[in-house]
Amino acid sequence: NAGVTQTPKFRILKIGQSMTLQCTQDMNHNYMYWYRQDPGMGLKLIYYSVGAGITDKGEVPNGYNVSRSTTEDFPLRLELAAPSQTSVYFCASSYSEDGTEAFFGQGTRLTVV
Amino acid sequence: GNSVTQMEGPVTLSEEAFLTINCTYTATGYPSLFWYVQYPGEGLQLLLKATKADDKGSNKGFEATYRKETTSFHLEKGSVQVSDSAVYFCALRDILAGSARQLTFGSGTQLTVLP
Repeated sequence: NAGVTQTPKFRILKIGQSMTLQCTQDMNHNYMYWYRQDPGMGLKLIYYSVGAGITDKGEVPNGYNVSRSTTEDFPLRLELAAPSQTSVYFCASSYSEDGTEAFFGQGTRLTVV
Repeated sequence: GNSVTQMEGPVTLSEEAFLTINCTYTATGYPSLFWYVQYPGEGLQLLLKATKADDKGSNKGFEATYRKETTSFHLEKGSVQVSDSAVYFCALRDILAGSARQLTFGSGTQLTVLP
């Protein structure tokens, strides 16, 4: 009963470092998403994928990259971390059918110093 | 484009008080509507949903009715508990706008229930 699993849960990066946030789901969902949540704000979509090999930009893609080589995995890559990327990152997945909800991971709290 | 507007928070209530959190939306098609809840330190969980006009979603004593005429999906609970303290997000998914791929979220409403 794993659902959507994100790792790591917490990370501190120095400015200019790179890292990959991992996300995996075991529900055979074809849609996957990455959101960021800043304090007191809603969720902003970074990237999404409608299936293996297909990704597309969301509202705030700059500074990030994604790949989707399998149905299960959707890693988010941060290149050259900046303080503006300090946030909580959530991965989510869903079926494609209308009316279906998204399932969220527990989140990764990232601080860039 | 699609958008969701939620009641500004934070909201503070006493236990057993009545809760309403307003949510209105703008969509080009016929969206499905959702309420998610986020407890401290956790990810978002689906609370309830409605997929067509006049549907009522309900769960854990919470209810929301999909009102197409007023483009609203207000969340209500008759008697809140301390354990309901969380952030509540209204969201929509609109397949006809070609954005079924995305959930559009409101900004969230922080609810604190005092004993």
